[in-house]
Amino acid sequence: DTGVSQDPRHKITKRGQNVTFRCDPISEHNRLYWYRQTLGQGPEFLTYFQNEAQLEKSRLLSDRFSAERPKGSFSTLEIQRTEQGDSAMYLCASSLGGGAGQPQHFGDGTRLSIL
Amino acid sequence: RKEVEQDPGPFNVPEGATVAFNCTYSNSASQSFFWYRQDCRKEPKLLMSVYSSGNEDGRFTAQLNRASQYISLLIRDSKLSDSATYLCVALGGAGSYQLTFGKGTKLSVIP
Repeated sequence: DTGVSQDPRHKITKRGQNVTFRCDPISEHNRLYWYRQTLGQGPEFLTYFQNEAQLEKSRLLSDRFSAERPKGSFSTLEIQRTEQGDSAMYLCASSLGGGAGQPQHFGDGTRLSIL
Repeated sequence: RKEVEQDPGPFNVPEGATVAFNCTYSNSASQSFFWYRQDCRKEPKLLMSVYSSGNEDGRFTAQLNRASQYISLLIRDSKLSDSATYLCVALGGAGSYQLTFGKGTKLSVIP
């Protein structure tokens, strides 16, 4: 399977714990994106990398959230001191470089549940 | 006001029907537009890009009207397998690569 891969698929944790998710983009894609989706809503943008550079961050990305893409390949999203409001599906997407019309392809997502 | 607005539905249509979804966007600087399809508890999947000249892919036709900031999707000869949520998406302008999604329109195609 050469699509976007996310790990884990599901994560259940207690409030206050730290969690980290991983995303492996499609191999030739140099752009990588993180989104969050809650029930009944469309995905909401969190952050975007071009290669290893983090170029955009949403206001949704509070100081408890940090994302990295150290070698321009896989990315990690860490949430510190989780809160119940963090419960959501966390989606990673990737796209080719070039113009703005390049579509973003999504992974299966990581579903986070905070107890 | 949400940046991308869609009728949430649900749209319940019989097999073979034609169904149209409409969407408006508020950011006039948005550069590119897409329709994504999302099945229950699955990831969004790209259905088609949307161009000002209109584009067609089999039973699916998408239209963009930049003057009215309006996007549409037409599905002809609906199949049971078309049942899903359809997400209208705008790519932010001014060098932004973030996608802004509508809430989605749920379609159920009934036998």
